Amino acid sequence: QVQLVESGGGVVQPGRSLRLSCAASGFTFSAYGIHWVRQAPGKGLEWVAVIWYDGSNKYYADSVRGRFTISRDNSKNTLFLQMSSLRAEDTAVYYCARVLCPNCGLDVWGQGTTVTVSS
Amino acid sequence: QSVLTQPPSVSGAPGQRVTISCTGSSSNIGAGSDVHWYQQFPGAAPKLLIFTNINRPSGVPDRFSGSKSGTSASLAITGLQAEDEADYYCQSYDSSLSGSVFGGGTKVTVL
Repeated sequence: QVQLVESGGGVVQPGRSLRLSCAASGFTFSAYGIHWVRQAPGKGLEWVAVIWYDGSNKYYADSVRGRFTISRDNSKNTLFLQMSSLRAEDTAVYYCARVLCPNCGLDVWGQGTTVTVSS
Repeated sequence: QSVLTQPPSVSGAPGQRVTISCTGSSSNIGAGSDVHWYQQFPGAAPKLLIFTNINRPSGVPDRFSGSKSGTSASLAITGLQAEDEADYYCQSYDSSLSGSVFGGGTKVTVL
C-alpha cells in the first residue's frame, strides 16, 4: 500500500547534526514532491521544507534555512533531511508527506520520527 | 505566530454545526492559493480532510465541508459527532515565502 516511513530520529546535543530519512513505497516516488513538516511537543504543525519531484527545486522555512538540507534519491525511493547546528527549538516530531503539485494538499503522511535536541 | 490564523478552539454539542475559520493574506489565500484542511488525533499523523478548498478525499464523511472567499477559508462540520473531537489545521501556499504555511490549529471539543 501507499506508505511513507520516517527514520533517523533520536536524542542529539545542541550544535550537532542528524540525518532523517523517509522511505516511500506503493507509489511512483519520482512523480511527487515531498514535504517535511514538524510538530514540537504540544504545538501545532510547522512546515519545514519541500523538494520537487525531480529535486530541481527546494524551499525552506526561515527557521531552518542554512541549517537544514532536503534531498532525495529517486532510484532508492528515499527522501532525506540533513539537519545541522541543531537547537533546542528543533525538538519535534518530523513528518514527511507527499504532494502532487506545489499548490496541492499533502495527501499521504508518514508516522513521524522524533528528534530531541538536549544536552 | 502562524501566517494563517485559526481560532484556538471551538466546541459544540452532538448534532450541531461548527465552523473553523482560517484567515490569511494577499500573499497566500488572497493570492489565489488553495486551502487544504487536516485532521489530527493525539499521537497520530495528520490526515488530509479537505483539499483544494472544497474537495473531500475518498472516505471522508460528507458532514465535513470547506469553503474559501477572499483572504479566508472555512471548514464546517455538520452533525457533529464525538469522533470528530480532534485538532484541525488549514494549510496553503505562500508566494512571499515560496513555501507552505499552516494555521495554528483548532481544537474541536464535542460537549
